[in-house]
Amino acid sequence: DAGVTQSPTHLIKTRGQHVTLRCSPISGHKSVSWYQQVLGQGPQFIFQYYEKEERGRGNFPDRFSARQFPNYSSELNVNALLLGDSALYLCASSLGQGVLTPPFFGPGTRLTVL
Amino acid sequence: LAKTTQPISMDSYEGQEVNITCSHNNIATNDYITWYQQFPSQGPRFIIQGYKTKVTNEVASLFIPADRKSSTLSLPRVSLSDTAVYYCLVGNQAGTALIFGKGTTLSVSS
Repeated sequence: DAGVTQSPTHLIKTRGQHVTLRCSPISGHKSVSWYQQVLGQGPQFIFQYYEKEERGRGNFPDRFSARQFPNYSSELNVNALLLGDSALYLCASSLGQGVLTPPFFGPGTRLTVL
Repeated sequence: LAKTTQPISMDSYEGQEVNITCSHNNIATNDYITWYQQFPSQGPRFIIQGYKTKVTNEVASLFIPADRKSSTLSLPRVSLSDTAVYYCLVGNQAGTALIFGKGTTLSVSS
């Protein structure tokens, strides 16, 4: 079975641009979460979506937004990119709320902002 | 969500058993303890999860004392490929936000 997939693998943008990152969860998983990991730190929670609705949001500015589609895939959008947005962006999927199974992470998208 | 404390780094040699202890003094009754492993530029990989006493799977064991204020991840006979960052997390519901600390960087030498 395929795990969590993310695209693109790497991305280079310049300040002020916009970026869209994509995630496909494990088949059967209905919850998707997004995390940002800067070098040397642990992942930081950005968003969680379940059944196409936002169920949690971390301490990130409104430049960050996300959505989940009927097939449970998800997009993370970041507007007006800053140098500090350079990071590994991770997507994790799980069966859903109320079901105690640990989230499984994708390989991540490495975003570099110049 | 309960905060966790773990050593910043540990060193070991191939073939040794490694025990990484995590403190979570404020763990709630409904919280489970979960450990992830992460290699550079990869997503965290689930290792093991437990609630109390001992849990064992094909790669690790997790020891949780009765008061649940700490837990120990045990990696038997580590190899060079076990060099990674190990994160201890506590939480009470799957799919909700995971709070990562800085983790423990394990370095295995030959």
